[in-house]
Amino acid sequence: DQQVKQNSPSLSVQEGRISILNCDYTNSMFDYFLWYKKYPAEGPTFLISISSIKDKNEDGRFTVFLNKSAKHLSLHIVPSQPGDSAVYFCAARDGTSYGKLTFGQGTILTVHP
Amino acid sequence: EPEVTQTPSHQVTQMGQEVILRCVPISNHLYFYWYRQILGQKVEFLVSFYNNEISEKSEIFDDQFSVERPDGSNFTLKIRSTKLEDSAMYFCASSELYTGELFFGEGSRLTVL
Repeated sequence: DQQVKQNSPSLSVQEGRISILNCDYTNSMFDYFLWYKKYPAEGPTFLISISSIKDKNEDGRFTVFLNKSAKHLSLHIVPSQPGDSAVYFCAARDGTSYGKLTFGQGTILTVHP
Repeated sequence: EPEVTQTPSHQVTQMGQEVILRCVPISNHLYFYWYRQILGQKVEFLVSFYNNEISEKSEIFDDQFSVERPDGSNFTLKIRSTKLEDSAMYFCASSELYTGELFFGEGSRLTVL
């Protein structure tokens, strides 16, 4: 199932800089997109979401951008902090589905002090 | 802050044995889910549950799996006869609305020997 893809398995950035995590999708029926953060031995924690009717959503240091024509979304973290080091999952929901999320493979973000 | 709780955190079982994983969703949430993540793979949807019945299930969720809400607070996943390939981290999640964000528990690691 490759409907949601995160092509970068890992990303390393310096504290204070911007982290950009990318996600591509193929299913045109996806109408809602979410980013989750996951620490080892914990469940995914909801971070931010965006509806397909928007192209940007911002929450503090986190901004998600959606480019529907390219079927691409990205998560920007500014400024990055060492505590942001985690696995970040992109997930998408089909509008006809009861909460079923399709996840990407995840990107390991490491923020160096 | 309300959270989804799961028990046990880790269960080791012999192939062919029955396993029950338990979850207490967030109290005002109406939609409940089970997801799983096999080591090194994506988080994948198993089943969604609303109003005491299954709303949607994946092809993974075959006759060996069942879910139940035995009382007002617990939500359980039963695997009747475990196979080696059932070894995974199982995540319970809940949401207030099916259009909303899913909140995940910390997971139950199942090891089938």
